[in-house]
Amino acid sequence: GENVEQHPSTLSVQEGDSAVIKCTYSDSASNYFPWYKQELGKRPQLIIDIRSNVGEKKDQRIAVTLNKTAKHFSLHITETQPEDSAVYFCAGRDNTGTASKLTFGTGTRLQVTL
Amino acid sequence: EAGVTQFPSHSVIEKGQTVTLRCDPISGHDNLYWYRRVMGKEIKFLLHFVKESKQDESGMPNNRFLAERTGGTYSTLKVQPAELEDSGVYFCASSQWTGGEQFFGPGTRLTVL
Repeated sequence: GENVEQHPSTLSVQEGDSAVIKCTYSDSASNYFPWYKQELGKRPQLIIDIRSNVGEKKDQRIAVTLNKTAKHFSLHITETQPEDSAVYFCAGRDNTGTASKLTFGTGTRLQVTL
Repeated sequence: EAGVTQFPSHSVIEKGQTVTLRCDPISGHDNLYWYRRVMGKEIKFLLHFVKESKQDESGMPNNRFLAERTGGTYSTLKVQPAELEDSGVYFCASSQWTGGEQFFGPGTRLTVL
């Protein structure tokens, strides 16, 4: 089955700096990679996703890159703000057939300091 | 539009007792998923319903866990009897179609003493 590894487990950056979170996956059949943000006491929310036919996707200050050959994908947050502080989860999914379960990484706790 | 809701938000029980968690998906979402996060580890898949049918229950840890979705609306997850290692946060998610974006509920924090 799929295995997703995520690094680092904790990340502290100063406001305005960039943050990068990296994930690797094992199943070459995985073709969909969402990123979820969970603020303290709240539900995980999808912030960006990427499909395997795309190498990069950007949404304002957030971008995700995917390297299918190396089986890794990364989340990039630029100009970080205090409200970016949260736990971020990467995930992978094989979207073919009827399978649709997500396999998550262990999460990265991002702290943006003033 | 109301999001996915879960009840209760917290539950503290003793080892050997029974607990039932409930999830109400977003209206019209045929797909319902249960996940669990134990002790700060990854969020792990438990099972997937399409309407009232179990599409994938490969993540259910053992037969102490029973999930139902009678009528294809809300779902329940019963743990009987509960063990210490069952402690964690149980998330429910729903999606409109298989392979679509999964919307998560706030989770139920289960503590087994």
